[in-house]
Amino acid sequence: EQQVQQSPASLVLQEAENAELQCSFSIFTNQVQWFYQRPGGRLVSLLYNPSGTKQSGRLTSTTVIKERRSSLHISSSQITDSGTYLCAMDPSSGSWQLIFGSGTQLTVMP
Amino acid sequence: EAAVTQSPRNKVAVTGGKVTLSCNQTNNHNNMYWYRQDTGHGLRLIHYSYGAGSTEKGDIPDGYKASRPSQENFSLILELATPSQTSVYFCASGAPTGYEQYFGPGTRLTVL
Repeated sequence: EQQVQQSPASLVLQEAENAELQCSFSIFTNQVQWFYQRPGGRLVSLLYNPSGTKQSGRLTSTTVIKERRSSLHISSSQITDSGTYLCAMDPSSGSWQLIFGSGTQLTVMP
Repeated sequence: EAAVTQSPRNKVAVTGGKVTLSCNQTNNHNNMYWYRQDTGHGLRLIHYSYGAGSTEKGDIPDGYKASRPSQENFSLILELATPSQTSVYFCASGAPTGYEQYFGPGTRLTVL
């Protein structure tokens, strides 16, 4: 069973639209992190959000531990937001052995 | 800014050959990780280390060895490379108390 499920697998938006990315977990975790990756590029940490709501610029993440899910909201999308968004969780709190989802591929069109 | 570098960036190897992927970090982080990324699988943890001299098995360690000779360097070794090990490999470092992992640019390995 895949421990981290992401949806949708891909998403196409028009510039300025908002995006909602979802992540669900097969186990309870209180260590959730969202990453961004350009095609062929390195991963960049976007937000660490163990619980509740966290915001960074146009990005807002909401994690609900008891429902084993986290979401990433991107407001007013830009063409440069295109890429893959990955969520990851630590299955044994504090060990920092991250398990990743397969990602959501976001394409923002002009 | 945190810096993680990997070498080589691209590698073509033959089946049965030995491959060594190198990772260097200047963050002075204790923790280092090796992942592979394949379409449909996301990133999967191969080996990790909590400091110089230590290596631990991750989720998919079979066919791989790791070496952490110093705080800065962490290597991934494929003693007998197989075509199934064709992938993109990422190294990362992270502080033991921190929540962020800093990733290298990746190494694209092709085993023929």
